[in-house]
Amino acid sequence: GGIITQTPKFLIGQEGQKLTLKCQQNFNHDTMYWYRQDSGKGLRLIYYSITENDLQKGDLSEGYDASREKKSSFSLTVTSAQKNEMAVFLCASSKTGEGDTQYFGPGTRLLVL
Amino acid sequence: QQKVQQSPESLSVPEGGMASLNCTSSDRNFQYFWWYRQHSGEGPKALMSIFSDGDKKEGRFTAHLNKASLHVSLHIRDSQPSDSALYFCAASANSAGNKLTFGIGTRVLVRP
Repeated sequence: GGIITQTPKFLIGQEGQKLTLKCQQNFNHDTMYWYRQDSGKGLRLIYYSITENDLQKGDLSEGYDASREKKSSFSLTVTSAQKNEMAVFLCASSKTGEGDTQYFGPGTRLLVL
Repeated sequence: QQKVQQSPESLSVPEGGMASLNCTSSDRNFQYFWWYRQHSGEGPKALMSIFSDGDKKEGRFTAHLNKASLHVSLHIRDSQPSDSALYFCAASANSAGNKLTFGIGTRVLVRP
């Protein structure tokens, strides 16, 4: 078994601020993902990475940067936080292969004042 | 328009009853489906994947896929209070599942 750790658990930011979220996995998985979860909108893919230093855009990449520093870690930066923004950011990982499911972390809850 | 649509939005079932959830894709490229479950305050957890026409059973959970209509359902037999959660259907154009599109979810409440 393994675990995905996301830090911080809660993040309160100011409008216009640059905010960084971190994710670590010990599954030894190749692929890592960042999703945004908004109430009533499901999960939307922001970025994913199939190996160290690789980066692939998802459907919601505008306004975000990501970095895969090493196989076990993947960070996401909100480049300019929007006022009254409230969402949960979920990190996930998976092996690269047929039928492999994604394993999710507990999420980082963001509130922008 | 959502490419993966789920119904109903919410569902209440008595303990021991059957819960039935539906999911349809409007994108013909999406041929591979997963069901995920999310309890409050946690990340989603995969329940099962289904790639072939017909039924797939795992314990109390049965998924059914009809590729012609791109419709997949999930049935939870003998529902337990611990099954109360948000259930997501996710679809992909490839079996590796590395670019999933999620529906908005069905909230299931199991009444004791």
